[in-house]
Amino acid sequence: AQSVTQLGSHVSVSEGALVLLRCNYSSSVPPYLFWYVQYPNQGLQLLLKYTSAATLVKGINGFEAEFKKSETSFHLTKPSAHMSDAAEYFCAVSAFSGSARQLTFGSGTQLTVLP
Amino acid sequence: NAGVTQTPKFQVLKTGQSMTLQCAQDMNHEYMSWYRQDPGMGLRLIHYSVGAGITDQGEVPNGYNVSRSTTEDFPLRLLSAAPSQTSVYFCASRSSRQGHQPQHFGDGTRLSIL
Repeated sequence: AQSVTQLGSHVSVSEGALVLLRCNYSSSVPPYLFWYVQYPNQGLQLLLKYTSAATLVKGINGFEAEFKKSETSFHLTKPSAHMSDAAEYFCAVSAFSGSARQLTFGSGTQLTVLP
Repeated sequence: NAGVTQTPKFQVLKTGQSMTLQCAQDMNHEYMSWYRQDPGMGLRLIHYSVGAGITDQGEVPNGYNVSRSTTEDFPLRLLSAAPSQTSVYFCASRSSRQGHQPQHFGDGTRLSIL
């Protein structure tokens, strides 16, 4: 079975500071990995995805993530936080279960950006 | 582009009532799914479908029923609502069952069971 662990259910950073949200996964086969963002009272939006191409993946809004197979990690970073980045972030792994690939989500990290 | 549309956005039910959460997508996607989101637990898969007439169970299927008569629609039925089913429900779709494409999510249905 696949699983995702997000370290830190709440992360606070100052505006302009580095954002680092941690994600570790377990998978018996090379995974597809995703980061989604959820703003209040909205659905999830894709930030970026890793599907076995370049290990450094760039996404929207200045976010990027690096796939490290040896560490089974896919941490999300952004060099400089903006107030509009405040949201909940979910890491997910995609692997086959039943007749299709299914997403398994981490428990989420709530990002607060302080002025 | 409507994407994935969920109705209703909010609903309050009494224990034992039944209801249907509607989900429609206009992208001709093969794969559709239902998740529930509970605090501190991320999203958990309830049921999914890989095409019209084909459905299967996810991680937490008990108490829920689905059908897929058309490519566009994937309703979720609560057979006899229980307080444990109080949650936010999300419908999602993607173009195929292969899984390297991202899923598109609706805005959710916030359901309270009294």
